[in-house]
Amino acid sequence: AQSVTQLDSHVSVSEGTPVLLRCNYSSSYSPSLFWYVQHPNKGLQLLLKYTSAATLVKGINGFEAEFKKSETSFHLTKPSAHMSDAAEYFCVVSDRNSWGKLQFGAGTQVVVTP
Amino acid sequence: DAGVTQSPTHLIKTRGQQVTLRCSPISGHKSVSWYQQVLGQGPQFIFQYYEKEERGRGNFPDRFSARQFPNYSSELNVNALLLGDSALYLCASSSRTGLMDQPQHFGDGTRLSIL
Repeated sequence: AQSVTQLDSHVSVSEGTPVLLRCNYSSSYSPSLFWYVQHPNKGLQLLLKYTSAATLVKGINGFEAEFKKSETSFHLTKPSAHMSDAAEYFCVVSDRNSWGKLQFGAGTQVVVTP
Repeated sequence: DAGVTQSPTHLIKTRGQQVTLRCSPISGHKSVSWYQQVLGQGPQFIFQYYEKEERGRGNFPDRFSARQFPNYSSELNVNALLLGDSALYLCASSSRTGLMDQPQHFGDGTRLSIL
């Protein structure tokens, strides 16, 4: 079985300050992990993915995430928030037993203030 | 290249009716998955199809069904609509299935409202 817990339902940051979105996962097998972003009334856009290569993963728009197996975590960070980063962010897990089925977390709403 | 396209973008139905949602995957992608996203929640897996065969089914009632056509497009059908079926329905495509590292690319979804 696989599951994802996003530890914060809402995060508010000031423009130009760092962003940290926390995610813990559970998987019976070596997982693949993803972060997706969803802007209002839009579909989901892939930010980055971890697939058992380098534990520090760089994605689009300056985001990066670090896979920590000992902590079963996959936190998403960005050094400096932009107004355009305001959106819903989903941490997602998949494993080889799930045939590509994605298990989503509940999401973290990010608000960026000027 | 065109991304995943879904139609219609919005739909309003009444309880008890039936609805069909459509999805065209990215060119060359053979796997299509459907997800339901209720307001304020993360998407929930409904179905996955690969090469016209069902490869996975989520915890949804039999009122939900889907199929994939020879051109890899897909339809999601929901019968006997309930108020709780109101949601954003997302389609995703990937080049292959069974490979957990293949990223899935999502369309903008169909917003279904049940009155």
